[in-house]
Amino acid sequence: DGGITQSPKYLFRKEGQNVTLSCEQNLNHDAMYWYRQDPGQGLRLIYYSQIVNDFQKGDIAEGYSVSREKKESFPLTVTSAQKNPTAFYLCASSTGQGARGNQPQHFGDGTRLSIL
Amino acid sequence: SQQGEEDPQALSIQEGENATMNCSYKTSINNLQWYRQNSGRGLVHLILIRSNEREKHSGRLRVTLDTSKKSSSLLITASRAADTASYFCAALTGANSKLTFGKGITLSVRP
Repeated sequence: DGGITQSPKYLFRKEGQNVTLSCEQNLNHDAMYWYRQDPGQGLRLIYYSQIVNDFQKGDIAEGYSVSREKKESFPLTVTSAQKNPTAFYLCASSTGQGARGNQPQHFGDGTRLSIL
Repeated sequence: SQQGEEDPQALSIQEGENATMNCSYKTSINNLQWYRQNSGRGLVHLILIRSNEREKHSGRLRVTLDTSKKSSSLLITASRAADTASYFCAALTGANSKLTFGKGITLSVRP
């Protein structure tokens, strides 16, 4: 079955440490997204990529970095510069038309990041 | 800034009743989408309505869009306990076609 796989499901970060969240999709989608979800605040866009080797900052990119070396993969690194990283992180993808058109986004099941 | 704002924030109904959830947005949209999220899981797309459409149906779901009032509503008919989840509206706007989510509505359906 096609879908989006996020790993790990739970992640703990020590102070000063960078951690990387994995997102892999086998839907052959061009566009991929990272969102952060905090209780009562809905989803906020961190970064998005519409094509391999290209990505743009979203609304809350500070303290995060991404890469898009393969179409299937869009890892997110939470750096030590992100002072409040505790949240639920969701990865999504859509067809190339979806980023600029009328196609929905497909989501993974998220990674919950906590501070040790 | 929040584009979609849902109302109410929480809704509790009996199984078999209808559930109506509302969403308001601030600027012109390309389309409006509704998603469902079960606890601890990712979002699942439910239905999309384009800016030139007024009503759309999908199974027990009915979505309306009023661009003059910048609002949308999601109706779930004959609700089931399995409909218990959080529901989000998301507005697709602008030249970059960014999807902006509301804060969500928590729906509880009592068996």
